[in-house]
Amino acid sequence: KQEVTQIPAALSVPEGENLVLNCSFTDSAIYNLQWFRQDPGKGLTSLLLIQSSQREQTSGRLNASLDKSSGRSTLYIAASQPGDSATYLCAVRPSQGAQKLVFGQGTRLTINP
Amino acid sequence: DTAVSQTPKYLVTQMGNDKSIKCEQNLGHDTMYWYKQDSKKFLKIMFSYNNKELIINETVPNRFSPKSPDKAHLNLHINSLELGDSAVYFCASSQGGGRYFGAGTRLSVL
Repeated sequence: KQEVTQIPAALSVPEGENLVLNCSFTDSAIYNLQWFRQDPGKGLTSLLLIQSSQREQTSGRLNASLDKSSGRSTLYIAASQPGDSATYLCAVRPSQGAQKLVFGQGTRLTINP
Repeated sequence: DTAVSQTPKYLVTQMGNDKSIKCEQNLGHDTMYWYKQDSKKFLKIMFSYNNKELIINETVPNRFSPKSPDKAHLNLHINSLELGDSAVYFCASSQGGGRYFGAGTRLSVL
């Protein structure tokens, strides 16, 4: 059974720092992995989608990497800003035919001005 | 235009009532979902509909019933609401690639 873990549960850093959020999954046989952002009281916003054949995806100040063999993904945020404060979730899609995403419990990120 | 929209945004109701949450997507996706986010922030899938056919029903009580009048809509009906139903419910859609979520409906059962 696939399990997704995100550590730490919460992270607080000063504005301007580069930071890394971690996501690990127990079964390396995945179809894709997706990083989401959730603002308080709001829905999920998709940030980056990495297919199983890819090693990384980049969007602006965000870079997500995928190492299937070790069951890990990282989300790198460069030059953090207060507006980056949110909960970041990673989710794994086990197979192409799987409709269910397996989510981690998220990392709550706070960027201090 | 919002890709996945759900209404209402907030729903406060008494225990025992019956309520519905609506969801619409304008992305032309074939598959729609309902998720429940619990107090620990875990997202758990409740239902999945593909071309008006139920694919997943993850041990959800019978009080919860999804209704899909067409490919663009998947509504969630809840009968005899209980205190434990209080949560944020998210609608989502997908077609092959990533999943797109609505903004969520915060249900509070008093």
